[in-house]
Amino acid sequence: ILNVEQSPQSLHVQEGDSTNFTCSFPSSNFYALHWYRWETAKSPEALFVMTLNGDEKKKGRISATLNTKEGYSYLYIKGSQPEDSATYLCAWIDMNTGFQKLVFGTGTRLLVSP
Amino acid sequence: SQTIHQWPATLVQPVGSPLSLECTVEGTSNPNLYWYRQAAGRGLQLLFYSVGIGQISSEVPQNLSASRPQDRQFILSSKKLLLSDSGFYLCAWSVKGVQPQHFGDGTRLSIL
Repeated sequence: ILNVEQSPQSLHVQEGDSTNFTCSFPSSNFYALHWYRWETAKSPEALFVMTLNGDEKKKGRISATLNTKEGYSYLYIKGSQPEDSATYLCAWIDMNTGFQKLVFGTGTRLLVSP
Repeated sequence: SQTIHQWPATLVQPVGSPLSLECTVEGTSNPNLYWYRQAAGRGLQLLFYSVGIGQISSEVPQNLSASRPQDRQFILSSKKLLLSDSGFYLCAWSVKGVQPQHFGDGTRLSIL
C-alpha cells in the first residue's frame, strides 16, 4: 500500500493566526486528491477535490494548492477561528485503481484557542 | 437534498458474535457506496465499495463482508467478530466520477 502522509500531526494556534499543513502522496500515477474536515462528534465534510497540477482551490478562509509532480498539497487557513478546530484529512487516488479508492492520511489535528 | 443514515451509533459486542451495520442514502440514485474503518491511531481505511446493486469490491482481506441488496442500502456484516474488528466504522456515498464523498455519522464498535 502506498502511503499518504500528513504533517504536522497536530497543531495548536491562537485565534487570528494563519496556518498551513502538508499532505504528501506518491507522485506517480496521480489521479486526484481530496481534502476533508472532520470535527469532533461530526462526520467528515468534503472541502476540495483537486485533479490538476498547479490547481488552487478556495472556500472562505481555507485554500489548497496542489503539486502533482513532487507529490504534495498544502492546506492554508487564514485568520484561524475556534470553529476551525478539527482534524483535516487528505486522500489520494491512484489512477490505476479507479476514482473510488481513496487512500487517506492520518490527518492533522488543529486546535484554535480563543 | 441527499442524506445518509448509519446505525447504530455505538455497539458493544462479544468476541464471536455476529455483526450487522446498516447504511442508507436518500435523495440520490445509483450512488457509489463505501465502508471505511478507523482503527485506533490510524487513518481511514477503505474496506468495501460498491458501484451498483449486488456489486461489491473488497479492499482488505478480513473477517467482514458487505452487501448491497438495494440501490441505496449498504450493509456491513460479520459472522464472528474478532477483537481486531474494534474501531470506528464510517459509511459514505458519492456520485459517479471524481467527486467528493459524503459520510455518515459513524458507528463506534467495541469488541469485548
